[in-house]
Amino acid sequence: GAGVSQSPSNKVTEKGKDVELRCDPISGHTALYWYRQRLGQGLEFLIYFQGNSAPDKSGLPSDRFSAERTGESVSTLTIQRTQQEDSAVYLCASSFAGYNEQFFGPGTRLTVL
Amino acid sequence: AQSVTQLDSQVPVFEEAPVELRCNYSSSVSVYLFWYVQYPNQGLQLLLKYLSGSTLVKGINGFEAEFNKSQTSFHLRKPSVHISDTAEYFCAVTPIPQGAQKLVFGQGTRLTINP
Repeated sequence: GAGVSQSPSNKVTEKGKDVELRCDPISGHTALYWYRQRLGQGLEFLIYFQGNSAPDKSGLPSDRFSAERTGESVSTLTIQRTQQEDSAVYLCASSFAGYNEQFFGPGTRLTVL
Repeated sequence: AQSVTQLDSQVPVFEEAPVELRCNYSSSVSVYLFWYVQYPNQGLQLLLKYLSGSTLVKGINGFEAEFNKSQTSFHLRKPSVHISDTAEYFCAVTPIPQGAQKLVFGQGTRLTINP
């Protein structure tokens, strides 16, 4: 079956512009996660959705970052007024409820000029 | 809170040699442990995981890892590496389910296999 997909694969934007990144999880996965991977670093947790529960936003670095998820399907991560330090690969993952293996998408490489 | 330290940022080895990638963690609660691999320009793929039971876990592609609770370590090993093992390897932990299951990752170890 299809894995986690993300779009766009690459995004180049100018400082100060808003960007939207999209994630399509594996069908049936109720949990969805966003992570950020800066060059040469590990992954940082950003936000987590689980079913109809309130999302865990504890990893969002600033109020310029927000994310939404419609039911148990697509999620969008929005970064407003982008800064150069936002340049990174943004990875999405999904899993079944509770603990379970997280399946990762290929990521969106964001470059802020 | 949890933290993960991967002690080597880069590990170069020759093909068919053994390799060990080191991972230590810190946590005030019990955790599950994982190793993920990231091939160039790809997403992360699970290599293996420790949830409970035998402390020696075997994963895909001939990798194995041993959980040592007293030393809070989860080192990854392979007895004989191949060129195709060239990738970045990430150790990660998550607290045993209490709610959100976010993963806490180490900084990664870049494994380079030389012919």
